[in-house]
Formats: sequence, structure tokens, C-alpha cells
Amino acid sequence: EAGVTQSPRYAVLQEGQAVSFWCDPISGHDTLYWYQQPRDQGPQLLVYFRDEAVIDNSQLPSDRFSAVRPKGTNSTLKIQSAKQGDTATYLCASSPSTVTEVFFGKGTRLTVV
Amino acid sequence: GDQVEQSPSALSLHEGTGSALRCNFTTTMRAVQWFRKNSRGSLINLFYLASGTKENGRLKSAFDSKERYSTLHIRDAQLEDSGTYFCAFNSAGNKLTFGIGTRVLVRP
Repeated sequence: EAGVTQSPRYAVLQEGQAVSFWCDPISGHDTLYWYQQPRDQGPQLLVYFRDEAVIDNSQLPSDRFSAVRPKGTNSTLKIQSAKQGDTATYLCASSPSTVTEVFFGKGTRLTVV
Repeated sequence: GDQVEQSPSALSLHEGTGSALRCNFTTTMRAVQWFRKNSRGSLINLFYLASGTKENGRLKSAFDSKERYSTLHIRDAQLEDSGTYFCAFNSAGNKLTFGIGTRVLVRP
């Protein structure tokens, strides 16, 4: 069974540039999460979906970050105008809707210079 | 908000020895997961517990939701056990709140 797939694996941007990250969750998982993991810290939730609906985006910097999951399967996280403080690994994860194990993709390591 | 305290922040072990990591949390959590971040940066699932204990090879984990803590024991440590270990607690919506991680170094 395929795990959570993310692309790209790495991205390097200058401040002010835009970038999109893509995620394909595990088949059958209706809940999808995006986490941000700064270097040497634990991952922190940005947003999560159940099917196509956003359930919680309270930690998503709404002025520059956006996330969609239009068909309830794949998802895209976009940073409109990157800042150096956005440098981190962006992790996508998925799980079934009930309280159960969450599985992570390999992440996208973003560097903003 | 929900808080997770993970200790120690770093741990050095000689091969063949063992130790324990601990996470305390401040509110009621439904379950705990333990991960190891490997050299490529991927989070590898080690355990998921809603209660009690689980064992997998040289690793053993326990979760006590009433006393609000979880532990991860490593025994007979091997070089490949080196990495950063994270606990994460599942709350409403299956959201995970992570500890800061424990950097484990196993020395020959």
C-alpha cells in the first residue's frame, strides 16, 4: 500500500516568491493534515481537512498561506509571498476519520533566502 | 493551549544499554503516537496507543491517559536507533500535538 506522497522534496526560494506543495494521502483516508516543522522543533499543525472541507485553519497564516483539497483527495498548500521565517519542512499527513493512527509523508524541505 | 513536555532533550547511549524517554501532557488526550525522524527527515511511525503498553522488538511504550504521560523504552540500543524521537498526542479531530523531540545518539 502506498504511503502519503509529497512533492517536491526540496524547494529554495527568494523572499517574495510563491511556491506550492502537493500531497496525495493514503487511499481511503478522508482526513488530511498539513504540518510545519521548523528546524530542531516538533511539527505544528497548520490546517486539516475532512474530505474537501476545512475543519481547522486557525494556525494558517491566512495572509500568505492557503490550502485546498477540492475533491477530497489530493491537496495543495501554497505560500504566496515567502519570508525567511517560512524556512521549514512542510509535512502532509492522513488518517481515517476516527481516532486512529496518523501517517506522514516525507515532507518538503523549504529554504527561503 | 495543549502542552506537551518531552524529556530528555538529548540522550547518549552506548550500544547494548537502554534508557527511557517520557512525555507529560496537560490535558486529556485520546491516544499517543511515537515517531523516529530518520536521517532523511522522514517521520517513521513507532507506536500508536490508546491505552496500556505495546512492545515492538527492543522498543516498548506505555500510555496512561489518567496520569497524563507516556514513555518509550529502548533496550539493547543499536547504532541504527540513533535519531530524533517525537511523542505526539491525539486530541479532538485526531490533531497531533508534538513534543520538542529527543535527540538520541547511540555510540559504539
